[in-house]
Amino acid sequence: GAGVSQSPSNKVTEKGKDVELRCDPISGHTALYWYRQSLGQGLEFLIYFQGNSAPDKSGLPSDRFSAERTGGSVSTLTIQRTQQEDSAVYLCASSQQGSLGSQHFGDGTRLSIL
Amino acid sequence: EDQVTQSPEALRLQEGESSSLNCSYTVSGLRGLFWYRQDPGKGPEFLFTLYSAGEEKEKERLKATLTKKESFLHITAPKPEDSATYLCAVRRIPNSGGSNYKLTFGKGTLLTVNP
Repeated sequence: GAGVSQSPSNKVTEKGKDVELRCDPISGHTALYWYRQSLGQGLEFLIYFQGNSAPDKSGLPSDRFSAERTGGSVSTLTIQRTQQEDSAVYLCASSQQGSLGSQHFGDGTRLSIL
Repeated sequence: EDQVTQSPEALRLQEGESSSLNCSYTVSGLRGLFWYRQDPGKGPEFLFTLYSAGEEKEKERLKATLTKKESFLHITAPKPEDSATYLCAVRRIPNSGGSNYKLTFGKGTLLTVNP
């Protein structure tokens, strides 16, 4: 497809379980970003990839959160031992250039922790 | 720390009633100010990037302007399909300290246009 694709669109899991969220960026976009949007809050930056490396992980809230990117394309965000406060919409964005291009977002994964 | 404040939090307009949304920002060095539109259950959709004070961008019924402290999104003769949450975000310049890759977002303005 032409846009950023995220899967699953919805995920419900029990507290303490691990989850993996997937992002497939726009073809040719070298920069990839993960954000989190909680109810009543603005979008919160999590991590930035340029190619397969992550020069900025400053937004990851704890060591339970990790992300990787392979082949300069698909990225996965992993949350270990999920907590109820992890419930949010996780959004992925991509752009053509690391610090200049406008970021284009997917529709997100809505994560609910029971 | 970069800060973005949007006002009002919510705005109701009648179809055809023009108005403006405000985005006030604090950033050590502005690389760009971004406007997005977000519909329920969807990701933000890019609208505009503004880079320097005095710059203006237009798209259909929307016009974005920028000063050194704030940006306005003017909506002229809105239609019900303009109903959405409008988000403002800033990115800082490189070597200004802190992350210059991320966007710092405001909480948005929920716009409802009634027919």
